Amino acid sequence: AQSVTQLGSHVSVSEGALVLLRCNYSSSVPPYLFWYVQYPNQGLQLLLKYTSAATLVKGINGFEAEFKKSETSFHLTKPSAHMSDAAEYFCAVSAVTSHGNAGNNRKLIWGLGTSLAVNP
Amino acid sequence: KAGVTQTPRYLIKTRGQQVTLSCSPISGHRSVSWYQQTPGQGLQFLFEYFSETQRNKGNFPGRFSGRQFSNSRSEMNVSTLELGDSALYLCASSSGQGANTGELFFGEGSRLTVL
Repeated sequence: AQSVTQLGSHVSVSEGALVLLRCNYSSSVPPYLFWYVQYPNQGLQLLLKYTSAATLVKGINGFEAEFKKSETSFHLTKPSAHMSDAAEYFCAVSAVTSHGNAGNNRKLIWGLGTSLAVNP
Repeated sequence: KAGVTQTPRYLIKTRGQQVTLSCSPISGHRSVSWYQQTPGQGLQFLFEYFSETQRNKGNFPGRFSGRQFSNSRSEMNVSTLELGDSALYLCASSSGQGANTGELFFGEGSRLTVL
């Protein structure tokens, strides 16, 4: 069964420090992978996505993630944290559940989220 | 281009009542998905509608229902409210089927409190 695990429900970094948010997935077929961000009192916003092209994916606000098939990981990084990065981050995998004439049917599976705090 | 609009943003109900939440997707988007978000459970998928048809459904009781209209606007209804239904309900739209593209555009949510 497909699943997503985000290691660490809370991560705290200093402003200017490296941000590393971990995501591991389990999928029997090549997945599509996503990172979303949720700022306080807002909905989720797509940060970046991996859909089997380049393994290093660049997203908005200076974030990037690397797909590592051998480690089944898709960790999110940012070289230098800003105060404005404080938010909840969700990793998601879109995994194939069935094959049809019109194409594959997929299901989105979400991690439980990681709350990022940035300290001045 | 206007984003996803959810109404109402906040509401308070009592146990046993019912509630209807509304979602207007981004113009041109035909898929609407609904999620329940709670601190302990994260994002729980409720259902997805595409061109007025329910395409996927999560593991929620029958008290949770939804529909999509011809203009792609969607409503979800929760009947016989329970305390555990208190949550942020998020709607997301996408141009194709949401799970197939993974590119969802979320509204700000409707925060339901059940007393």
